[in-house]
Amino acid sequence: GQNIDQPTEMTATEGAIVQINCTYQTSGFNGLFWYQQHAGEAPTFLSYNVLDGLEEKGRFSSFLSRSKGYSYLLLKELQMKDSASYLCAPRGSGNTGKLIFGQGTTLQVKP
Amino acid sequence: DTAVSQTPKYLVTQMGNDKSIKCEQNLGHDTMYWYKQDSKKFLKIMFSYNNKELIINETVPNRFSPKSPDKAHLNLHINSLELGDSAVYFCASSPEGGAYDTQYFGPGTRLTVL
Repeated sequence: GQNIDQPTEMTATEGAIVQINCTYQTSGFNGLFWYQQHAGEAPTFLSYNVLDGLEEKGRFSSFLSRSKGYSYLLLKELQMKDSASYLCAPRGSGNTGKLIFGQGTTLQVKP
Repeated sequence: DTAVSQTPKYLVTQMGNDKSIKCEQNLGHDTMYWYKQDSKKFLKIMFSYNNKELIINETVPNRFSPKSPDKAHLNLHINSLELGDSAVYFCASSPEGGAYDTQYFGPGTRLTVL
């Protein structure tokens, strides 16, 4: 079957570092995406991992371990505008581009 | 210079009615998608078209019918609306629809069925 597990909610302080974990089970694997979604808005692309290891992009980094079915999104120097939902989305096998989204983690950044 | 646009942004209607949501992308992408996001925030794929050809058709009631007049447009028509259809519907597009493509989402259409 296909399953994605993320914490539902997290709270962190402005300027801090937060790590959002995601474990997944998919039929085959063709990479994993992280999207950010502010309340009432569209999901926007943050990162993509297809090989094991860390991908760094400014204040955001994403890590993947395919053998463990595990990924995390690391947000550094948190800002108030980072308060949003973060969606983990692995892609299963096949070439259809189909993404499987988790429920998302709602992050609240406090002053 | 909107990349993926949807109309309308909000749609309030009565049970049993038929309604359509339109989506357009000006990115030159070959593939377009429809997703449904329910009240629990799960975002689920419904349909995908590549160059006007249906390539993903998830388990969706046949009251939902997508139509792609050209590769820049993907519309969603819903017949006999039910209360459970209330959700936010997102359109998305990607360059080729392949395994490594990034998908770009439209602003969403919030559908409320009364």
